[in-house]
Amino acid sequence: DVQMTQSPSYLAASPGESVSISCKASKSINTYLAWYQEKPGKSNKILIYSGSTLQSGTPSRFSGSGSGTDFTLTIRSLEPEDFAVYYCQQHNEYPLTFGSGTKLEIK
Amino acid sequence: EVQLVESGGGLVQPGRSMKLSCAASGFTFSNYGMAWVRQAPTKGLEWVATISYDGSSTYYRDSVKGRFTISRDNAKSTLYLQMNSLRSEDTATYYCTTTALYYFDYWGQGVMVTVSS
Repeated sequence: DVQMTQSPSYLAASPGESVSISCKASKSINTYLAWYQEKPGKSNKILIYSGSTLQSGTPSRFSGSGSGTDFTLTIRSLEPEDFAVYYCQQHNEYPLTFGSGTKLEIK
Repeated sequence: EVQLVESGGGLVQPGRSMKLSCAASGFTFSNYGMAWVRQAPTKGLEWVATISYDGSSTYYRDSVKGRFTISRDNAKSTLYLQMNSLRSEDTATYYCTTTALYYFDYWGQGVMVTVSS
């Protein structure tokens, strides 16, 4: 199975700041990496797939980069609604696997 | 608007069975692959099973293979997960999702399954 290592597990930032979340795969997954946002009381939302392709409706302040084993989610100029938990997921092969999550909190 | 509404969860004893349902609306259900993803209390997300748009192909994680069965009824726009021989480690919130190219586009709100005596 492809192990996904996500870091940091916790991140505190202020609105207006930029943050980056890392996701590393235990073997190459080409560019097949998705990012999700989890917020209390709301359905999980896909932000990015195939490493860098924004899902329809994802604000342009979100961006994804990387290939092979190393990937990054960057959020520029944080908005209040961006404080949430973020997960990465490899969609290259079965079993599909997720990172352990990053909780982004307001500083 | 895409809507996925799970039902059928609750408390069940170890070794017993339970069947989850997911009613889909707002899109052409028969055109989409579907999946179940779960999340144990205070844990991360875990893929459980996927079924192709026409039900001809299914995929499972090893820990549920032989115990869980994913199925669908395209006439009713409904996805199912039959769970047999339930174990305490199956305790989780189960999410119904659409899936394209092995990622998960839309998610339901989830249904809780608790396996305990």
